[in-house]
Amino acid sequence: DAGVIQSPRHEVTEMGQEVTLRCKPISGHNSLFWYRQTMMRGLELLIYFNNNVPIDDSGMPEDRFSAKMPNASFSTLKIQPSEPRDSAVYFCASRSGGRYGYTFGSGTRLTVV
Amino acid sequence: AQTVTQSQPEMSVQEAETVTLSCTYDTSESNYYLFWYKQPPSRQMILVIRQEAYKQQNATENRFSVNFQKAAKSFSLKISDSQLGDTAMYFCAFMHYFGNEKLTFGTGTRLTIIP
Repeated sequence: DAGVIQSPRHEVTEMGQEVTLRCKPISGHNSLFWYRQTMMRGLELLIYFNNNVPIDDSGMPEDRFSAKMPNASFSTLKIQPSEPRDSAVYFCASRSGGRYGYTFGSGTRLTVV
Repeated sequence: AQTVTQSQPEMSVQEAETVTLSCTYDTSESNYYLFWYKQPPSRQMILVIRQEAYKQQNATENRFSVNFQKAAKSFSLKISDSQLGDTAMYFCAFMHYFGNEKLTFGTGTRLTIIP
């Protein structure tokens, strides 16, 4: 099992540019989560999907952020346009349900200059 | 809304000693899950240990064990025979038993193991 795979590992972009983060969950896991980690706010849930359907997107900060899960093996988080305050580490995680916790990807460190 | 509090921002301990990290939480539910995650400098989030609230027995995973006090809403992590590789941020987290699968994290404790 390759685990949760995120790409890219690092992303540096200029303010105003579109950024797309990608995630491949563990096969058979039916829930997928996007978290953001910053020094000021810690780990925050942005959105999560169950069986490819968005369940809770209350953490998505504003309309500049969007997330999709077109199938069970792929999800994207898009920021358009990006701003310096979006700089953070973005984690994707998946879960099989029941008593099990999340398995996290390695994260994408986003820097917006 | 559930809240998770970790009151120790930083801790340090000598190698081979035992250390306990504190966590308290607030919920009106009777069934839920609690977790400890470790984040080493590599930034990978690693599940350390899990506790189901309906189980009275404290969870144990090798050198890691918890002291789960349901009435006090306390969930501390004990690391025995600490090793240099235990140096990391440790996050306590809460999840509902039914419904929303959101993990609510505490602010973390930075643990340093001193050689």
